[in-house]
Amino acid sequence: QQQVKQSPQSLIVQKGGISIINCAYENTAFDYFPWYQQFPGKGPALLIAIRPDVSEKKEGRFTISFNKSAKQFSLHIMDSQPGDSATYFCAASKKSSGDKLTFGTGTRLAVRP
Amino acid sequence: DGGITQSPKYLFRKEGQNVTLSCEQNLNHDAMYWYRQDPGQGLRLIYYSQIVNDFQKGDIAEGYSVSREKKESFPLTVTSAQKNPTAFYLCASSTRDITSTDTQYFGPGTRLTVL
Repeated sequence: QQQVKQSPQSLIVQKGGISIINCAYENTAFDYFPWYQQFPGKGPALLIAIRPDVSEKKEGRFTISFNKSAKQFSLHIMDSQPGDSATYFCAASKKSSGDKLTFGTGTRLAVRP
Repeated sequence: DGGITQSPKYLFRKEGQNVTLSCEQNLNHDAMYWYRQDPGQGLRLIYYSQIVNDFQKGDIAEGYSVSREKKESFPLTVTSAQKNPTAFYLCASSTRDITSTDTQYFGPGTRLTVL
């Protein structure tokens, strides 16, 4: 009930291309969905987050698409750059019960020049 | 300069020894968390604390202990009972304001290696 499934496990994209990472959740009580970016040897950093009352949120080249009925959400990175090469984690939480996040297993993104 | 600090960055431990990882935050956050990260895996919650002098077990608490005597500090002790302690340990903190769009902020991590 608490699981968040993330795919793909790894992704290789050419510079300028679109990177797409998908996540699916089971617990319909989740009401907050952040994405984190992690570089090797560093802690994860919040990238972008969405609440289920909107279907899309865009910040610069990063967009979250949210499908409440399908219990799925995805991260799109437009015009992918080599500097975007990192591991990306989706997560979900029930804000009304505190901020205890359930994380996906991560996607390692490599953007080739 | 607000944030979360973890020390040390690298830690080596002999088998059978307890070791304590430090986590300090100056973000005035009520909640703090400890995660373990293994290669190719996601973050797994060890312990969390939503208020001073109170904490709860996460998904993989066995072999670990914590304390929360101060709002700013949430140290994690890896005991000799933890069978496979070599991992990257991450501390995080967050506000308990449910209306906030904020979420957990992470420290830089401590890499623990058991020799």
